[in-house]
Amino acid sequence: SQQGEEDPQALSIQEGENATMNCSYKTSINNLQWYRQNSGRGLVHLILIRSNEREKHSGRLRVTLDTSKKSSSLLITASRAADTASYFCAHQNSGNTPLVFGKGTRLSVIA
Amino acid sequence: ETGVTQTPRHLVMGMTNKKSLKCEQHLGHNAMYWYKQSAKKPLELMFVYSLEERVENNSVPSRFSPECPNSSHLFLHLHTLQPEDSALYLCASSQEADSGYTQYFGPGTRLTVL
Repeated sequence: SQQGEEDPQALSIQEGENATMNCSYKTSINNLQWYRQNSGRGLVHLILIRSNEREKHSGRLRVTLDTSKKSSSLLITASRAADTASYFCAHQNSGNTPLVFGKGTRLSVIA
Repeated sequence: ETGVTQTPRHLVMGMTNKKSLKCEQHLGHNAMYWYKQSAKKPLELMFVYSLEERVENNSVPSRFSPECPNSSHLFLHLHTLQPEDSALYLCASSQEADSGYTQYFGPGTRLTVL
């Protein structure tokens, strides 16, 4: 399977703590994207990181990409209760191929 | 609001019914997608349209029939579904049908097949 894998499957933290979610994949990629989904809603794009990039920031979000380990991480700093959601990574294999999504990490931030 | 709307938001249908899901994007994008999201499974790509032409069909059963009359509208016609087809169906759009572009998702249609 070319599916990505998120780790952990579920994460529960206190408000104010940092949350780290990891994603691994199996093939060479063009880019990797992180999405967020509130319960029963559509996905919202967070960050896209290309294969020649190592780190990107957006507000309280920091994404890293290690192509040698075929892995990426999403760090949410100073978490808030409103960050409670499922977070998915999706990667594009080399070539013009569709995004491949993982199963997601369910994050719960407790106030 | 992401600029992608889906109707209905919830749908309950019997196995012999025929229904349609509708998606509309107000972003001027050229590509539209249908995904299926089932519990504890990864998001599954069903169909991709680029400029109203189907460019990807991931071995989806024929009881799902997509239609893209123009680049702003996408339908998924449902016929003789099975209970295992119950899921959240998500529509998305992007500037082009290249995964290097951000995809914008609608809120989804929660489908229950009895």
